[in-house]
Amino acid sequence: GNSVTQMEGPVTLSEEAFLTINCTYTATGYPSLFWYVQYPGEGLQLLLKATKADDKGSNKGFEATYRKETTSFHLEKGSVQVSDSAVYFCALSEGGGADGLTFGKGTHLIIQP
Amino acid sequence: GAVVSQHPSWVICKSGTSVKIECRSLDFQATTMFWYRQFPKQSLMLMATSNEGSKATYEQGVEKDKFLINHASLTLSTLTVTSAHPEDSSFYICSARDLTVSLSSYNSPLHFGNGTRLTVT
Repeated sequence: GNSVTQMEGPVTLSEEAFLTINCTYTATGYPSLFWYVQYPGEGLQLLLKATKADDKGSNKGFEATYRKETTSFHLEKGSVQVSDSAVYFCALSEGGGADGLTFGKGTHLIIQP
Repeated sequence: GAVVSQHPSWVICKSGTSVKIECRSLDFQATTMFWYRQFPKQSLMLMATSNEGSKATYEQGVEKDKFLINHASLTLSTLTVTSAHPEDSSFYICSARDLTVSLSSYNSPLHFGNGTRLTVT
């Protein structure tokens, strides 16, 4: 079956530091890949996505590249802000999302001023 | 923007009672809604796919008689935890697909509710 593995947190960084949150996946087909973010007290929001190999998703300074050869979709940001503190979930979906998502466990990111 | 409202945000109930959780799409119609459960420090696990006007599709290992899903309208799906026990204590999250953006589920966005914290004593 499908699975998503992401680095466990919490990850604590100083403001303006470089961020990488690793995510690897296992899938039987060719999934779409997603990063969701959950800010304190809010629901999950789509941060970015990529639907095929070598696609790069980007949003709000975050980016992730769909690497089929390494089955990875690592999330990166060049300079994090305190407002980026949240829980980040890597997820995949086969069938373009017509079915439900398979999520990783989530990574709690804490940015200190 | 599109919002999914989930109610209640938290509930405490006694063992043996039933609890209903509502998931509403506020400004779009959702033919498909998904119900997830999240245990502490675990990932969100898909429980079932709720389709308006038809029976829900449950994931393997999820008891359909325990977790009753009703999707009676295009804006409302409910999850009822029947005869709840302490092991049912968890965080339940719904999501809904907004097909007004695109008729293709491939491109239509998925919106999540804020979740419901269920504690069974």
